[in-house]
Amino acid sequence: ELQLAQSGAEVKKPGESLRISCEGSGYSFISYWIGWVRQMPGKGLEWMGIIYPGDSDTRYSPAFQGQVTISVDKSLSTAYLQWSSLKASDTAMYYCARLPGSGNYHFDHWGQGTLVSVSS
Amino acid sequence: QLVLTQSPSASASLGASVKLTCTLSSGHSSYTIAWHQQQPKKGPRFLMRIKGDGSHNKGDGIPDRFSGSSSGAERYLSISSLQSDDEADYYCQTWGTGFQGVFGGGTKLTVL
Repeated sequence: ELQLAQSGAEVKKPGESLRISCEGSGYSFISYWIGWVRQMPGKGLEWMGIIYPGDSDTRYSPAFQGQVTISVDKSLSTAYLQWSSLKASDTAMYYCARLPGSGNYHFDHWGQGTLVSVSS
Repeated sequence: QLVLTQSPSASASLGASVKLTCTLSSGHSSYTIAWHQQQPKKGPRFLMRIKGDGSHNKGDGIPDRFSGSSSGAERYLSISSLQSDDEADYYCQTWGTGFQGVFGGGTKLTVL
């Protein structure tokens, strides 16, 4: 069964760094793009960016370029979303999701979400 | 600019049918979109992909009550025999140049 298992909730202070993870199983991890989506409290879904594990080709939304880093460790079948200096406005639920390939770039499987809370 | 427009809210009675709309911005009427459902306090779930010709492919385990169609720049999600757990937020999604993704603002469906 295809699964995307995300790391647990995080509570951080402004200025701290953070990396959250998303482990894929039940499919060929390196062969499918995987992406990240932000959902701020009470708000809609925002597309942040995607990465292709096979060659680490990464595409960012202009809104998130330079604000976060998306990476992957093929040996662990794990994708990451990282911040070097968190802000209170980064407080949100973050979802990873897989793209189905074959010329389709929507998400077809979702992780369970990681809640990130940033407060002084 | 690639934009998806959804009505903020919709409502229908238990057992009835409802049709939600996602409208592609000018110049993008042929684009494929996907529909996702997000029930309260849960993560999103992929429902289906709808192409410009109206053909659609559903995700794993999505009931026959859910179907998709297309007309011009509009992509539809139809739900028949509404159940209480269909009450959710529904988002459409597409992608543009350089695989840049975009979501619509979401439609909150209330089952009366």
